[in-house]
Amino acid sequence: NAGVTQTPKFQVLKTGQSMTLQCAQDMNHEYMSWYRQDPGMGLRLIHYSVGAGITDQGEVPNGYNVSRSTTEDFPLRLLSAAPSQTSVYFCASSTPTQSNYGYTFGSGTRLTVV
Amino acid sequence: GDSVTQMEGPVTLSEEAFLTINCTYTATGYPSLFWYVQYPGEGLQLLLKATKADDKGSNKGFEATYRKETTSFHLEKGSVQVSDSAVYFCALSVTGGFKTIFGAGTRLFVKA
Repeated sequence: NAGVTQTPKFQVLKTGQSMTLQCAQDMNHEYMSWYRQDPGMGLRLIHYSVGAGITDQGEVPNGYNVSRSTTEDFPLRLLSAAPSQTSVYFCASSTPTQSNYGYTFGSGTRLTVV
Repeated sequence: GDSVTQMEGPVTLSEEAFLTINCTYTATGYPSLFWYVQYPGEGLQLLLKATKADDKGSNKGFEATYRKETTSFHLEKGSVQVSDSAVYFCALSVTGGFKTIFGAGTRLFVKA
């Protein structure tokens, strides 16, 4: 039972490069979300999805794209990396019947943009 | 908008001391409230939850009571251990919602 799997765990990008952070869950959860964690700021919501084919913006969506073609996968794309996107990124999932019972989080991707 | 405010850290305690981490919230609806814990190098784990007023969530010796009148959800533990050293996040989710709002986190250090 893998839960939420994020890859890669670490990544260094140069300014202007693009990349995709992968997130997969095997719990058949409808809801999936991407957060970024920065010191002293807690977790901020980037994008979220309530099901395959449905995505929406969170608090800090600029510079990021998402898609949800399957229930299992929810990749996060950085279009043109900037130093301000240096952060730890977490993917999380939940299900409507348990949406008031908390998220399951992945172990995170630490991204550095130089 | 909805928000969560928790006490700033770090909090440093000796083993077996009593722990309180304060958390207050602002929400337009009737939120569910959560405490998550993050150990070094890991993702967040759900520690406990409460879904309505006066509910008490508890897990691993930690407790928190949903106080609607004071809009608070303070985390307590009677006797902390070194293994409790981590960052603790208070969070809320509005009823029927799927977007969780997190506080800034409070780092706890427990000394042997």
